[in-house]
Amino acid sequence: EVRLVESGGALVQRGGSLRLSCAASGFTFSDYWMSWVRQAPGKGPEWLANIKPDGTEKYYVDSVKGRFTISRDNAKNSLYLQMNVLRAEDTAVYYCARNYCPGGICYRPFEFWGQGVLVTVSS
Amino acid sequence: ATQMTQSPSSLSASVGDRVTITCRASQAIRNDLAWFQQKPGKAPQLLISTASNLQGGVPSRFSGSGSGTDFTLTISSLQPEDIATYYCLQDYYYPWTFGQGTKVEIK
Repeated sequence: EVRLVESGGALVQRGGSLRLSCAASGFTFSDYWMSWVRQAPGKGPEWLANIKPDGTEKYYVDSVKGRFTISRDNAKNSLYLQMNVLRAEDTAVYYCARNYCPGGICYRPFEFWGQGVLVTVSS
Repeated sequence: ATQMTQSPSSLSASVGDRVTITCRASQAIRNDLAWFQQKPGKAPQLLISTASNLQGGVPSRFSGSGSGTDFTLTISSLQPEDIATYYCLQDYYYPWTFGQGTKVEIK
C-alpha cells in the first residue's frame, strides 16, 4: 500500500523558516517524480514544486522560487521542503504527492497524496 | 502561467441528474489535463488523467473528454457521495496550474 506521511508543520513567525518532511512507503520511492502542493484555507490547491526521481531536476512556482527548496533522500525514502522567509500568505495545508511520469512524461499527476500538514505563519 | 478557467463555480443538482463541469486552458495543453475530487478535510483524489483516463476504483459514472483548450468532466448520474469540490489541473506547462474549483451540491 502506498503511504505518504508529512510532518514538520508548525506555527511560525513571519520571516522564519520551517522544514517539512514526507515519509514514503509501499513503493520504490526512487522511481517516482514527487511534488509538494499546498492549499490555503478556503482556497483551491496550488502546485509548488516537483523533483525528478534522481533529484537532478527541480521545478517551482514563481511565488516560492528562491525561498523554498524541494529535495529528497532516496536512501531514506523521504521528500523534503525547506521553507525560508515565510510570509502570512504561506499559511496553508501542505501535501506531498506522488506522480507517475515514466520518461519524464506525466500520465498520472498527483496520483497519491499524503494527509497534509498545517503550516501557520503569524504576523 | 497557463490559466485554467472552470465553470460553473458551483452547481446544485438532483440525485440522478447528469452533471457537466468545464475547464478551459488559456493555451493549448494537448490532453495533459486531470480532474480531482476533494471532500472536506481530505486531500484531493485523482479521478481522471490525460483528459479521459478513469483511475482505478473510480465509478464509471465519471468521464472526461477534450483536448487542446477545452475539457469536460461529466457525472452521468449524480449520487449523494459525489458531493465535493472538483478541480482540473494542467500538467503540460510549468507551473502546473489548477482551476478554481466547482462545488457540487445536492438540490
